Amino acid sequence: EPEVTQTPSHQVTQMGQEVILRCVPISNHLYFYWYRQILGQKVEFLVSFYNNEISEKSEIFDDQFSVERPDGSNFTLKIRSTKLEDSAMYFCASSARTGRADTQYFGPGTRLTVL
Amino acid sequence: AQSVSQHNHHVILSEAASLELGCNYSYGGTVNLFWYVQYPGQHLQLLLKYFSGDPLVKGIKGFEAEFIKSKFSFNLRKPSVQWSDTAEYFCAVNSGAGGYNKLIFGAGTRLAVHP
Repeated sequence: EPEVTQTPSHQVTQMGQEVILRCVPISNHLYFYWYRQILGQKVEFLVSFYNNEISEKSEIFDDQFSVERPDGSNFTLKIRSTKLEDSAMYFCASSARTGRADTQYFGPGTRLTVL
Repeated sequence: AQSVSQHNHHVILSEAASLELGCNYSYGGTVNLFWYVQYPGQHLQLLLKYFSGDPLVKGIKGFEAEFIKSKFSFNLRKPSVQWSDTAEYFCAVNSGAGGYNKLIFGAGTRLAVHP
């Protein structure tokens, strides 16, 4: 069964550094998402992406964050200057379509630790 | 704003006991409802989903959920749990108000099943 994959599984970085989290969505999916889960808190929506554009973003997704689909298979989340509070598990998801009948499939996550 | 409430944060059961995990959401329009499961060290996996039709939905591994529109609820049930059901369970909703773009998650219920 096709799966969403994410790399790396764990990233440790210093405060102020840039990080890029990578995702390979399911191959025939067109809609891509990032979510994050701070330890002990809810899974929170960050951004959705379709047709090389952001469809929707949350208030968490400020100017420090950006997303890109640099080629036909990868979908990346960049954090420009990491803060301590960016430490979280970041999940990528994809869906074949959106609307009434979509299902989002999640990757295994990247645990980001900002020191 | 939409929200999802899961009433039980931690549940401990013995094998063969019955399970019911509560989920309520706060949106009055048309919604899609989901239960995801996260086994230790693994990614979020879809257990079951409700889009329309029969409000009693059957999912994988013997789980089912019932959508009760009048109560804004989508409780998850299993008649007889196994040790392998030890995991964290997340209720989630998306709606037309959000363009079905984003999933709103509950806080999760951590289930421990003892042999």
